[in-house]
Amino acid sequence: NAGVTQTPKFQVLKTGQSMTLQCAQDMNHEYMSWYRQDPGMGLRLIHYSVGAGITDQGEVPNGYNVSRSTTEDFPLRLLSAAPSQTSVYFCASSYGATSTDTQYFGPGTRLTVL
Amino acid sequence: SQQGEEDPQALSIQEGENATMNCSYKTSINNLQWYRQNSGRGLVHLILIRSNEREKHSGRLRVTLDTSKKSSSLLITASRAADTASYFCATTSYTGGFKTIFGAGTRLFVKA
Repeated sequence: NAGVTQTPKFQVLKTGQSMTLQCAQDMNHEYMSWYRQDPGMGLRLIHYSVGAGITDQGEVPNGYNVSRSTTEDFPLRLLSAAPSQTSVYFCASSYGATSTDTQYFGPGTRLTVL
Repeated sequence: SQQGEEDPQALSIQEGENATMNCSYKTSINNLQWYRQNSGRGLVHLILIRSNEREKHSGRLRVTLDTSKKSSSLLITASRAADTASYFCATTSYTGGFKTIFGAGTRLFVKA
């Protein structure tokens, strides 16, 4: 199993550009989530999904969209990038339909918005 | 606002000493998890303790949970230089959906 994979590893955008961060898992996990981590801080939940077709907002959802058309994939879309979205983005998944199980994290995407 | 708050923010110890990190949270939880993050890397799950448990062990790790005080502690015994990392607590609560919220972390430095 590859576990949780994220692409790209690094990305530089200009203000106003849009892009999609990809996340995939091959463990048949129901629960997937996106976090952002700013320097010296913990992770903040952006959006999460308890299964295909079901998504919900986390702590900091503004400026981001998600969809979950398959169990394996959970892309995160930045609609109009802003410098405040410069961060490291982590995707995570867990087996159950809730987040009460251990979460497995991807390696992260480091995003810089100029 | 973040649910979990770790204390101390940073900790520097000698190899072989024990390291204790604390986490406090604000609302009722389903479980609490501890993660480790090496610089620039993803998070690695260390241990999960459920709200009806008081103590769990895993190798050199010991986690306690006091739901009456809304606090948890992570003890790493006989620390090694390789334990140098940031440690985060994460709480899972049901607030119209299950969400896991992370604290800001404790940065541990173990000197050889």
